[in-house]
Amino acid sequence: DAGVTQSPTHLIKTRGQQVTLRCSPKSGHDTVSWYQQALGQGPQFIFQYYEEEERQRGNFPDRFSGHQFPNYSSELNVNALLLGDSALYLCASSLDTLIFLGNTEAFFGQGTRLTVV
Amino acid sequence: GQQLNQSPQSMFIQEGEDVSMNCTSSSIFNTWLWYKQDPGEGPVLLIALYKAGELTSNGRLTAQFGITRKDSFLNISASIPSDVGIYFCAGQLEESNDMRFGAGTRLTVKP
Repeated sequence: DAGVTQSPTHLIKTRGQQVTLRCSPKSGHDTVSWYQQALGQGPQFIFQYYEEEERQRGNFPDRFSGHQFPNYSSELNVNALLLGDSALYLCASSLDTLIFLGNTEAFFGQGTRLTVV
Repeated sequence: GQQLNQSPQSMFIQEGEDVSMNCTSSSIFNTWLWYKQDPGEGPVLLIALYKAGELTSNGRLTAQFGITRKDSFLNISASIPSDVGIYFCAGQLEESNDMRFGAGTRLTVKP
């Protein structure tokens, strides 16, 4: 049973460029959340996707956008990259029916390390 | 914003010792989760708590959901070298259902 998989594992981009990160949720999961983790900090919630729509959003600018596909996989897009966007980007998957019942357990991928130079 | 204050920031202990860490906030949470993160990996869920006052164990780990719903603690008994890592608390805010993470507790265990 594959867990959450993210690609690529590492990425270097230049300031001003755009980047797309990908996530495949754990088998059977239909909800994907994205987090940004700066060095030495805890993950910060970016947004959550369910049924191909953004359901919740954290305090991130519109440069951060996402997409969820019919197979539940998801992409995170960041436009006009800034040096401060350098971080580990984590994807977490969960099952909506469990969320509805109050079970918020989420399983994380190993992340994509983005470096903006 | 609604911050989670996690303490201590770091701990250096001897193998076999017990460890305690906690998270507090001025906001009310519906859920508390405790994760462990190893270098280069994503966080791995250790314990989930859903009710105020709930005390849950997972092997040598014990965590509690505070009665006020504004805090939680995690205890690790009889620490071993593989307990080394960064431990994060995470809580789902009652007012917005947002998930917030603490800044982490870095645990070092000396053999």
